[in-house]
Amino acid sequence: DAGVTQSPTHLIKTRGQQVTLRCSPISGHKSVSWYQQVLGQGPQFIFQYYEKEERGRGNFPDRFSARQFPNYSSELNVNALLLGDSALYLCASSPRDRGRFQPQHFGDGTRLSIL
Amino acid sequence: QQQVKQSPQSLIVQKGGISIINCAYENTAFDYFPWYQQFPGKGPALLIAIRPDVSEKKEGRFTISFNKSAKQFSLHIMDSQPGDSATYFCAASPPAGIGQGGKLIFGQGTELSVKP
Repeated sequence: DAGVTQSPTHLIKTRGQQVTLRCSPISGHKSVSWYQQVLGQGPQFIFQYYEKEERGRGNFPDRFSARQFPNYSSELNVNALLLGDSALYLCASSPRDRGRFQPQHFGDGTRLSIL
Repeated sequence: QQQVKQSPQSLIVQKGGISIINCAYENTAFDYFPWYQQFPGKGPALLIAIRPDVSEKKEGRFTISFNKSAKQFSLHIMDSQPGDSATYFCAASPPAGIGQGGKLIFGQGTELSVKP
């Protein structure tokens, strides 16, 4: 079975631009979470979506937004890009949102570079 | 209270040795503690995880030891191999609540190098 897939793998943007990153979860997984990983640090939680609803939000500005589609895929949007947004953006999926915490499985990420 | 502190930052071990990475947390309500392995250019891969009602969990060469009273947990890699050279992250899940769904809090990472 395919794992979590993310596209594109690499992206170069300039300050002020907008970007959309895409994620397809593992088949059968209904929950998608987004993380930002700056070089040399651990991933930082941005959002979690389950059944198209936002279930969790990290400490990120409103320039960051996301949505989930009926097929459980998800998009992360970042507006008005800043140099500090340069990072690896990771998507993770898990089977469901209910009950005890579900193991999250990560994709290989989108490397975003801001010039 | 939401932090997870990981040490050491880097670790060099000889082939066949034991690698030990430690993490400490503050929030006693955390209820899920996974370890992830990350190779350059790849996303984190789930290695092993533990819940606080268990003091130890072993899967192959990987063991998590959990000390609830000290709010610490550690990863032991037995018979370390050069292929284990990667960055390892501990993480913890805060209690479920409004806006907290699906959130993992990660440590800063440990770069492990296993010398042949």
